Amino acid sequence: EIVMTQSPATLSVSPGERATLSCRASQNVRSNLAWYQQKPGQAPRLLIYGASTRATGVPARFSGSGSGTDFSLTISSLQSEDFAVYYCQQYYNWPPLTFGGGTNVEIK
Amino acid sequence: QVQVIESGGRVVQPGGSLSLSCATSGFTFSDYNMHWVRQAPGKGLEWLAFISYDGINTYYRDSVKGRFTISRDDSKSTLFLQMNSLRFEDTAVYYCAKDHERYWYYFDSWGQGTLVTVSS
Repeated sequence: EIVMTQSPATLSVSPGERATLSCRASQNVRSNLAWYQQKPGQAPRLLIYGASTRATGVPARFSGSGSGTDFSLTISSLQSEDFAVYYCQQYYNWPPLTFGGGTNVEIK
Repeated sequence: QVQVIESGGRVVQPGGSLSLSCATSGFTFSDYNMHWVRQAPGKGLEWLAFISYDGINTYYRDSVKGRFTISRDDSKSTLFLQMNSLRFEDTAVYYCAKDHERYWYYFDSWGQGTLVTVSS
């Protein structure tokens, strides 16, 4: 099973600042990596797939990068609606499909 | 637009059974692979089960293999999860999720979830 590790667990950021979230895979997953945003009481929302392709309707301030085992999600200028938990997921080698433990982006 | 609506969650005793449903609309259900994903209270996301668009292939995570069964009814655009021998650790919100594209196993549409509580 591929283990996905996200860091940090919590990221405190002021509105308008840049946030960078990390995701590391225990094995090479090539570019088969997705990112999701989840707000309290809501279902996850797909943000990024293929490590760097924004899903439909996702603002350009969200960008993904990386390949192999190291990935990052950057939010260039945090808006109030961006404070949420973010998960990465690998879909290269499965079952099982695996998620990281999440990064909680909170208001500083 | 795509709609995904789970139902069937409730309180159930350990060892009991429960069947979840996921009604979908807004896309051609029979063209897409589908999944179940769960989230224990205050925890992260955990993939559970997959069924291919044609219903031929199913996969499960080890902890539910032999206890849970995923199935689909294309005539009703509905996905199911039959859960048997439920354990305390199965307590979670259960989400139904649709693959974005065939052969690419990430999820572009999710339901709002249905809560399963295993408690005596």
